[in-house]
Amino acid sequence: GENVEQHPSTLSVQEGDSAVIKCTYSDSASNYFPWYKQELGKRPQLIIDIRSNVGEKKDQRIAVTLNKTAKHFSLHITETQPEDSAVYFCAASRNTGNQFYFGTGTSLTVIP
Amino acid sequence: DAGITQSPRYKITETGRQVTLMCHQTWSHSYMFWYRQDLGHGLRLIYYSAAADITDKGEVPDGYVVSRSKTENFPLTLESATRSQTSVYFCASSEGGGGQPQHFGDGTRLSIL
Repeated sequence: GENVEQHPSTLSVQEGDSAVIKCTYSDSASNYFPWYKQELGKRPQLIIDIRSNVGEKKDQRIAVTLNKTAKHFSLHITETQPEDSAVYFCAASRNTGNQFYFGTGTSLTVIP
Repeated sequence: DAGITQSPRYKITETGRQVTLMCHQTWSHSYMFWYRQDLGHGLRLIYYSAAADITDKGEVPDGYVVSRSKTENFPLTLESATRSQTSVYFCASSEGGGGQPQHFGDGTRLSIL
């Protein structure tokens, strides 16, 4: 089955700096890669996703890049703000599959 | 999103008791999922369902039972609760399987004494 590894497990940045979270996956057939943000005590919420037919996707201050050859994808947050502090989860799946395979999460703290 | 609701939000019970966590969605999504979330383990899939009357095991199914007689409901039952099942449980739904985003409920915080 698929194995998704996520790094780092914790990340602290100064407000205004950029944050990068990286995930690697093992199944070369995986072709859908969502990212979820979970604030303390809240539900995970989808913030951005990417499919394997594109290499990069951007939505305001967040972007995701995908390297299919190396089997890794990354979340980039620019101009970080305190409200970006949360746990971020990556996941990988196949369009034809039934489930997501989640990374173990990254706890991001933005220091004002 | 208000389209998926879990109940109860908090539950305290004792070892050996049966407890059922409820999940209801109003989107008519075909897929539904149950996860448990523990510190250091992220989100682990317990069971999922691709449609009414179709369920399958995830990564950590032992000690849990699910059913799906109606598309909108996907209850999770702990038949004889153990302390190791103390966790936060999330239900999710999606239009399709792997290629569609999953939408999560607010979670149930379950404590087993």
